[in-house]
Amino acid sequence: RKEVEQDPGPFNVPEGATVAFNCTYSNSASQSFFWYRQDCRKEPKLLMSVYSSGNEDGRFTAQLNRASQYISLLIRDSKLSDSATYLCVVNRLSGNTPLVFGKGTRLSVIA
Amino acid sequence: EPEVTQTPSHQVTQMGQEVILRCVPISNHLYFYWYRQILGQKVEFLVSFYNNEISEKSEIFDDQFSVERPDGSNFTLKIRSTKLEDSAMYFCASRTSSNTGELFFGEGSRLTVL
Repeated sequence: RKEVEQDPGPFNVPEGATVAFNCTYSNSASQSFFWYRQDCRKEPKLLMSVYSSGNEDGRFTAQLNRASQYISLLIRDSKLSDSATYLCVVNRLSGNTPLVFGKGTRLSVIA
Repeated sequence: EPEVTQTPSHQVTQMGQEVILRCVPISNHLYFYWYRQILGQKVEFLVSFYNNEISEKSEIFDDQFSVERPDGSNFTLKIRSTKLEDSAMYFCASRTSSNTGELFFGEGSRLTVL
């Protein structure tokens, strides 16, 4: 089983739509969780951290379910500029352990 | 805004040649990383570096790879004898604290091995 699994997509949605991405992770000892955004041929950039209580940042909402080892990202009112690949990222343990990246879910928002 | 800078942005080399990729992490960061991304694949961890030594390395990071922080600002990745399968985007990253700080990535160095 892959350490971090995501549906690769692509998700093609119209502007204004709501879209949700899911991610599962295999290591139950994982401590920290993130969503990164990666534009084509660019570096990954942090979109938001994911907290146990769930958190929201504008149109973006992240949820974590530790029991199911499942992370989600919801994007409301999609904009053309949201088109990118969304990477689910997990930090396995505390301390200086590397982030583990999912392969990403590709989103295309269409006018 | 402080940023991680990487050079070169693109390097083309012949198989078997040595390559050095350079990175200048953000100045107050303590933890440094190299990741790579083969075209169309996921971002893969290569090596982490803290307090002037390697903290952890992946199975990709074999004897052909080495890292150095020669002068307190640059952080370099050397590939001793490149192979075709080393062709990828190599990202340097840094962060302040061990597992809670945001990981900042450089724009990447694209390596093409012919």
